[in-house]
Amino acid sequence: EPEVTQTPSHQVTQMGQEVILRCVPISNHLYFYWYRQILGQKVEFLVSFYNNEISEKSEIFDDQFSVERPDGSNFTLKIRSTKLEDSAMYFCAATTGGEVQPQHFGDGTRLSIL
Amino acid sequence: QKEVEQNSGPLSVPEGAIASLNCTYSDRGSQSFFWYRQYSGKSPELIMSIYSNGDKEDGRFTAQLNKASQYVSLLIRDSQPSDSATYLCAGRGGSQGNLIFGKGTKLSVKP
Repeated sequence: EPEVTQTPSHQVTQMGQEVILRCVPISNHLYFYWYRQILGQKVEFLVSFYNNEISEKSEIFDDQFSVERPDGSNFTLKIRSTKLEDSAMYFCAATTGGEVQPQHFGDGTRLSIL
Repeated sequence: QKEVEQNSGPLSVPEGAIASLNCTYSDRGSQSFFWYRQYSGKSPELIMSIYSNGDKEDGRFTAQLNKASQYVSLLIRDSQPSDSATYLCAGRGGSQGNLIFGKGTKLSVKP
């Protein structure tokens, strides 16, 4: 069983539309993260989430982004008004916590903005 | 700005050889480091983690950390064609454990 499950695997959306990307970690994970990877570039941190609130965010994570964990299981990333430059792979990661615990990545969602 | 630097390669080695991948980091406060393998179009897959100075071995993989030199490396012994992938070095960047990734080194193992 994968540690982290992401849906959808591929999302195609018109520019300006809202998208919601979903992530389901296994139950003992406490810390959650979203990263993105633009094609050919490095993996970039977006936001971390702990105890039902954002704990840290990067400069990329501006007002068009939001995260929530509405039902205690799904962890979502919402992009309110998508732009062409939002096209990327979006990865959810989770860990049980602590400095030494590794983060397990989901398979990712490929977001294509037209 | 906390950064992790890697030689982007490509690094090409023959099957059975040792592949050596290197990484440097800027934040002296970073305590833990991770090597991930990423196949094209796929997500990062954890290979090794290392927190203490010295070597850590797991099967064909050995990670090395030198905190004084701010240097992390990964050795892959008896390289196989299936090891061909991009190897990502990452260090802890923030108080909540977010990772800072290097650009990755592309490894090609030739049969």
